[in-house]
Amino acid sequence: KQEVTQIPAALSVPEGENLVLNCSFTDSAIYNLQWFRQDPGKGLTSLLLIQSSQREQTSGRLNASLDKSSGRSTLYIAASQPGDSATYLCAVNPQAGTALIFGKGTTLSVSS
Amino acid sequence: KAGVTQTPRYLIKTRGQQVTLSCSPISGHRSVSWYQQTPGQGLQFLFEYFSETQRNKGNFPGRFSGRQFSNSRSEMNVSTLELGDSALYLCASSFLRGETQYFGPGTRLLVL
Repeated sequence: KQEVTQIPAALSVPEGENLVLNCSFTDSAIYNLQWFRQDPGKGLTSLLLIQSSQREQTSGRLNASLDKSSGRSTLYIAASQPGDSATYLCAVNPQAGTALIFGKGTTLSVSS
Repeated sequence: KAGVTQTPRYLIKTRGQQVTLSCSPISGHRSVSWYQQTPGQGLQFLFEYFSETQRNKGNFPGRFSGRQFSNSRSEMNVSTLELGDSALYLCASSFLRGETQYFGPGTRLLVL
């Protein structure tokens, strides 16, 4: 059974720091992996999707990497800003369907 | 292009009642998935619809059901509500199965 773990559960940093959020999964047979952001009481915003054949994806200050063999993905956020404060969720898609399996998330707080 | 919309945004029901939630996907998207989010369990997959057919179902009791219409709009129904059904119900759509999922703002259900 696929399980997704995100460490740390919470993270506080000062503005301007570069930071890394971690996601690990137990079964390396995945179709793709998606990172989301969730603001309090809101829905999810898609940040990046990495296909199983890819090693990384970039969007602006965000870079996500995928190492399937070790069951790990990282989300790198450069030059963090207070507006980056949110919960970041990692989700694995085991096959070509859409039954995403989510981690519990990392709640990020960036102080000015 | 309009995003995923969900109605109603908030609902208060009492135990034993039933409820129907609605989701309109992004125009052109044919896949719709539903998720339940609670503080304790996090995000859990309910079911997935594609071309009016249920393609995948999560580990939820039969009180949870859904359907998809020919215009890709989807509804989910929960019968005989229990206190534990209080949650944020999120709908997501994608153009094809396995592609990036885009989430709606959710319906927050409170069962008293």
